[in-house]
Amino acid sequence: SAVISQKPSRDICQRGTSLTIQCQVDSQVTMMFWYRQQPGQSLTLIATANQGSEATYESGFVIDKFPISRPNLTFSTLTVSNMSPEDSSIYLCSVSTGDQPQHFGDGTRLSIL
Amino acid sequence: AQSVTQLDSQVPVFEEAPVELRCNYSSSVSVYLFWYVQYPNQGLQLLLKYLSGSTLVESINGFEAEFNKSQTSFHLRKPSVHISDTAEYFCAVTTDTGRRALTFGSGTRLQVQP
Repeated sequence: SAVISQKPSRDICQRGTSLTIQCQVDSQVTMMFWYRQQPGQSLTLIATANQGSEATYESGFVIDKFPISRPNLTFSTLTVSNMSPEDSSIYLCSVSTGDQPQHFGDGTRLSIL
Repeated sequence: AQSVTQLDSQVPVFEEAPVELRCNYSSSVSVYLFWYVQYPNQGLQLLLKYLSGSTLVESINGFEAEFNKSQTSFHLRKPSVHISDTAEYFCAVTTDTGRRALTFGSGTRLQVQP
């Protein structure tokens, strides 16, 4: 299975600032996804990162707040913009190829002061 | 659209006892089903999957799950749990068409006590 590296692993940020999270995969993958896990809750899909085109966002998530880039088949970034305490969560990247199950990175634990 | 229901938010159990974590799903099309495990302060690890074929699937650490199409269930079982099994368990579903994004259940916290 693919090895996924997510950076940073954790961060503490000031409200109003932005943070970019990186997801690097050791092989080319078809699909990359970004999820949010709020404290004590399950995972919610933010968007699907499409190579060569704009990301596809789920209801409740917008590009201005969570801009995503996917410049190639092994890398993607998620930016959390103009952060507020409500954005304190774990952000996870996952990848999938063909019929194989999604595999997840270790996540980025983000706290907003 | 599909949905997943995990009926138990927490399941306390003594070490070496059997356990069942329940998962029911809803979908109008065929689905792939998964169980993921999240240990404290870690990401999600795939525990087992049902894609097709045998409805009983097993993991390397003694867990098993059975796909029951008529009851739309995919319950997770282990005949004898260990302290190290203490974790959050998520049931997830995706369709075999479209983008294959996962829909997760709310999670079940398995607490194994000595």
